[in-house]
Amino acid sequence: GAVVSQHPSWVICKSGTSVKIECRSLDFQATTMFWYRQFPKQSLMLMATSNEGSKATYEQGVEKDKFLINHASLTLSTLTVTSAHPEDSSFYICSATGAGSYLNTEAFFGQGTRLTVV
Amino acid sequence: KQEVTQIPAALSVPEGENLVLNCSFTDSAIYNLQWFRQDPGKGLTSLLLIQSSQREQTSGRLNASLDKSSGRSTLYIAASQPGDSATYLCAVSSNTGNQFYFGTGTSLTVIP
Repeated sequence: GAVVSQHPSWVICKSGTSVKIECRSLDFQATTMFWYRQFPKQSLMLMATSNEGSKATYEQGVEKDKFLINHASLTLSTLTVTSAHPEDSSFYICSATGAGSYLNTEAFFGQGTRLTVV
Repeated sequence: KQEVTQIPAALSVPEGENLVLNCSFTDSAIYNLQWFRQDPGKGLTSLLLIQSSQREQTSGRLNASLDKSSGRSTLYIAASQPGDSATYLCAVSSNTGNQFYFGTGTSLTVIP
């Protein structure tokens, strides 16, 4: 199957700083990428959907100015958590879909990033 | 909005037992249903994908069924092993794309 790589796998940052998380499709062109957040003992919640070259569409309740998403190429999307606070500590995971064959019927997930804000 | 529920929330079984995990969803207009496994602190591993026109999929000791009209899916695990211990997530995608809605998961512990 298609491979999605997410980096870093974990990061600790100080409160008030910004953190960038990368999501790359390694062997296919990702026309759409999705960003999810998972709090402890809860399920994954969709934060936003991004299409290459377009502005991301954010879910209700997600601050677009705080969670900046860039999908500048067909193989890379980034999520930047700006002015991070301890309540932003969570597990962030991306998924991607592509065009053609099985790529547009199944989403492929990255390994996730554990963010801890201290 | 689509809501996905998984029952039970936690399950503990002795090794070798067959077990069933349940998933229900409120909006039957889905594109796919997918079962994932998540190990503690890790990402998602896709187990089985069922397209809306299908009724079941099998992979090794795993069998997933889908009854779209009633909004239900089950994941059957045969001859459970300690290595099956993980959280199992059910997710359905909307019929407009591959945006997934996840259930809260079933935490499975298989006791040696």
